[in-house]
Amino acid sequence: NAGVMQNPRHLVRRRGQEARLRCSPMKGHSHVYWYRQLPEEGLKFMVYLQKENIIDESGMPKERFSAEFPKEGPSILRIQQVVRGDSAAYFCASSPPPTGGNQPQHFGDGTRLSIL
Amino acid sequence: ILNVEQSPQSLHVQEGDSTNFTCSFPSSNFYALHWYRWETAKSPEALFVMTLNGDEKKKGRISATLNTKEGYSYLYIKGSQPEDSATYLCAALGGSNYKLTFGKGTLLTVNP
Repeated sequence: NAGVMQNPRHLVRRRGQEARLRCSPMKGHSHVYWYRQLPEEGLKFMVYLQKENIIDESGMPKERFSAEFPKEGPSILRIQQVVRGDSAAYFCASSPPPTGGNQPQHFGDGTRLSIL
Repeated sequence: ILNVEQSPQSLHVQEGDSTNFTCSFPSSNFYALHWYRWETAKSPEALFVMTLNGDEKKKGRISATLNTKEGYSYLYIKGSQPEDSATYLCAALGGSNYKLTFGKGTLLTVNP
């Protein structure tokens, strides 16, 4: 399967623990986007990364959330000291360089994060 | 901040009916309009990307139009089938060529 791979599909954490969500982009894609879907809400942009660079993190909460896309390996969305309000579905998407905005983004199946 | 609105929120049709939904978005600083199809427990799947005013795209029984001057796009499904049941998302790019702002989607249920 050459699509966007996210793992785990489901993640349960207790309040105060750390959550790490992984995303491997489609083969040949070097641009990764993370979105969050809160209950009863639409997909909301969090962060846009290229290899080793954070291009736009304007949608990330200011504290506890971080993202990286290293030279080797998957992109990681890290949430420290999780709280109940972090419970959501987190989706990763990838694309070739988004020149002109005419490249569709290819989505993974998401990670459902539940905080106990 | 973009505001993308979709209507209706949900729709029930009978197999064979044709249907359409609306996506409205701010017409200023427009880059592109994306439509995605999202089946339950799967990932959103890209249907169309449209950039030019008057664009029309078609894939099988599904087609879409774009009016950038008035800020709306229509998605049409001709002869709906049960397998068309899904949430249809539109997303606008405005002010940047990468930051998609999604609507909340239209949930389509096609009854056999």
